[in-house]
Amino acid sequence: QSVLTQPPSVSATPGQKVSISCAGSTSNIGIHSVSWYQQVPGTAPKVLIYDNNKRPSGIPDRFSGSKSSTSATLGITGLQPGDEADYYCVVWDESLGVEAFGGGTKLTVL
Amino acid sequence: EVQLVESGGGLVQPGGSLKLSCAASGFTFSGSHIHWVRQASGRGLEWVGRIRRKSENYGTEYAASVQGRFTISRDDSKDTAYLQLNSLRTDDTAVYYCTAYITGHQWGQGTRVTVSS
Repeated sequence: QSVLTQPPSVSATPGQKVSISCAGSTSNIGIHSVSWYQQVPGTAPKVLIYDNNKRPSGIPDRFSGSKSSTSATLGITGLQPGDEADYYCVVWDESLGVEAFGGGTKLTVL
Repeated sequence: EVQLVESGGGLVQPGGSLKLSCAASGFTFSGSHIHWVRQASGRGLEWVGRIRRKSENYGTEYAASVQGRFTISRDDSKDTAYLQLNSLRTDDTAVYYCTAYITGHQWGQGTRVTVSS
């Protein structure tokens, strides 16, 4: 049971927008920055968002991150078939003293 | 370009040991926290532990599932981190990734550990 709760799956059609939520608590998202990762099956994860809403160079602005209180959201606009992957939120948990990973959300592009 | 290359994985019997390495390049290794994360087949990502930088006394933290069995170390002169796995169990079977937290976690390609008799 993860301390960060993500929906197991989301789906949308090409060109649409999708949001993936990450619910935490005052000991993690409430006080630390969130990062988001994309993992295409069979490959290593890749950072999409760090420090809640910053994109590393090379990540298109179709990907965005936001945080409010103890929750965070990854937004993806203009969905493409290549966006089909698993997505994870990550944040340090001060109470547990661990790097907490969400359970992952499988995005299906219909 | 940030590069992390894990090695040392393989097949080991339950109760056995293994030492993984993570060779880094393309960033200031000594200034970065290094994490290990694992992923069992068909499962999500699971944090294993981290080692902080020298300025934070190389402090370590571990997940409860590996505390007392796994040890993370680093050699800044070699830009390399290590994960010593002892008392291995079948449920430790996974791909093990090292990461460096720079602009978010930067990942290696992973090395596979299989614990089986």
